[in-house]
Amino acid sequence: EVQLVESGGGLVQPGRSLRLSCTASGFTFGDYPMNWVRQAPGEGPEWIGFIRSQAYGGTTEYAASVKGRFTISRDDSKGIAYLQMNSLKTEDTAVYYCSTSRASNWYDFDHWGQGTPVTVSS
Amino acid sequence: DIQMTQSPSSLSASVGDRVTITCRASRSVFTYLNWYQQKPGKAPKLLIYAASSLESGVPSRFSGSGSGTDFTLTITSLQPEDFAIYYCQQSFNTPTFGQGTKLEIK
Repeated sequence: EVQLVESGGGLVQPGRSLRLSCTASGFTFGDYPMNWVRQAPGEGPEWIGFIRSQAYGGTTEYAASVKGRFTISRDDSKGIAYLQMNSLKTEDTAVYYCSTSRASNWYDFDHWGQGTPVTVSS
Repeated sequence: DIQMTQSPSSLSASVGDRVTITCRASRSVFTYLNWYQQKPGKAPKLLIYAASSLESGVPSRFSGSGSGTDFTLTITSLQPEDFAIYYCQQSFNTPTFGQGTKLEIK
């Protein structure tokens, strides 16, 4: 059974940094891209980025709203994906989810973690 | 980015009803359209991918149709566990989601 567990969320001041982790189990982690999706209170989900598998170079793509501030990485030996968030803004307040993608389309999000909340406030 | 617009934003229905939710894309996404269900405090759950393909384990009372810019999610014979928020999402390029449709018990 695929399991994804996010951790690292919490309260952080504007301008500070935070790193989230997504620990995966139940599948061959290194074979799949990993996504991060966030959801602000009362809003729909927002895709923020993903990292391809090493077979596709392990490269990353980001939404315009976070590009240059957020960085996604992965450690295939540990089965963990990371989201490094720098220069945080109040509008980054959301629940952050990691998700896997279906093999046939990297933008079909088939398994999700339970989410970790991030609150950016002074 | 491609904008996704859902209608209605909320919907009241009874157990056993048939309901339809509509999603419109600001430009063609061909059949790169997914539907998700989200319950309070939980992550979204993939129901339908590629406009009309049922994700494994999802009951057959859920179905999707459409192509290009106009899509529908239909739930036949509503069950108590179906009352939730439903989101469409285009997977043609940089993913974007609709604003959601809240399905409530009448």
